[in-house]
Amino acid sequence: NAGVTQTPKFQVLKTGQSMTLQCAQDMNHNSMYWYRQDPGMGLRLIYYSASEGTTDKGEVPNGYNVSRLNKREFSLRLESAAPSQTSVYFCASSDGGYQPQHFGDGTRLSIL
Amino acid sequence: GEDVEQSLFLSVREGDSSVINCTYTDSSSTYLYWYKQEPGAGLQLLTYIFSNMDMKQDQRLTVLLNKKDKHLSLRIADTQTGDSAIYFCAYPPGAGNMLTFGGGTRLMVKP
Repeated sequence: NAGVTQTPKFQVLKTGQSMTLQCAQDMNHNSMYWYRQDPGMGLRLIYYSASEGTTDKGEVPNGYNVSRLNKREFSLRLESAAPSQTSVYFCASSDGGYQPQHFGDGTRLSIL
Repeated sequence: GEDVEQSLFLSVREGDSSVINCTYTDSSSTYLYWYKQEPGAGLQLLTYIFSNMDMKQDQRLTVLLNKKDKHLSLRIADTQTGDSAIYFCAYPPGAGNMLTFGGGTRLMVKP
């Protein structure tokens, strides 16, 4: 029972490099989300996709782009990585409405 | 998130009860959630409560909601070392399923 799968689990980048974080869910959920987690700040929403074919900005979208490739997959791209983007990134999915979100195990990203 | 406040740290002894508190600002939310995060892992949904309820009990977990004071609490009875984790409260502040999270409370259980 895979749920939400994120790849890679760890990554180190140099400032200015680009990177795509992958996320896939096998629960047939309509909605998908990308969060970043920084110490003491909880999770902050970067982008979300309410349904296949739609994407919207969250609280902290600057420096990121997303693609909802199909119903299963939602990727997050850093075009030119900056040290401030060092964080743990989580992908989540849900059936929308008030259904709870299910989270992947995260991608730990360090930018030097 | 700035709309949801939690204390940073709680330490209890094994077998004691733990109470983790959360205050929020938006009174229109329909559901409020508690998530648990173990080291190196993602967030796992623990329980949730409808805003028209005052209390929900689920085995060792009791959720209390005071809508007037915008205060949510999670009580863990007979706390075990396996309960050591970070606990987040969260709620959808507006329409749809986007969640606002508190900063998390790190629970440490001493044997």
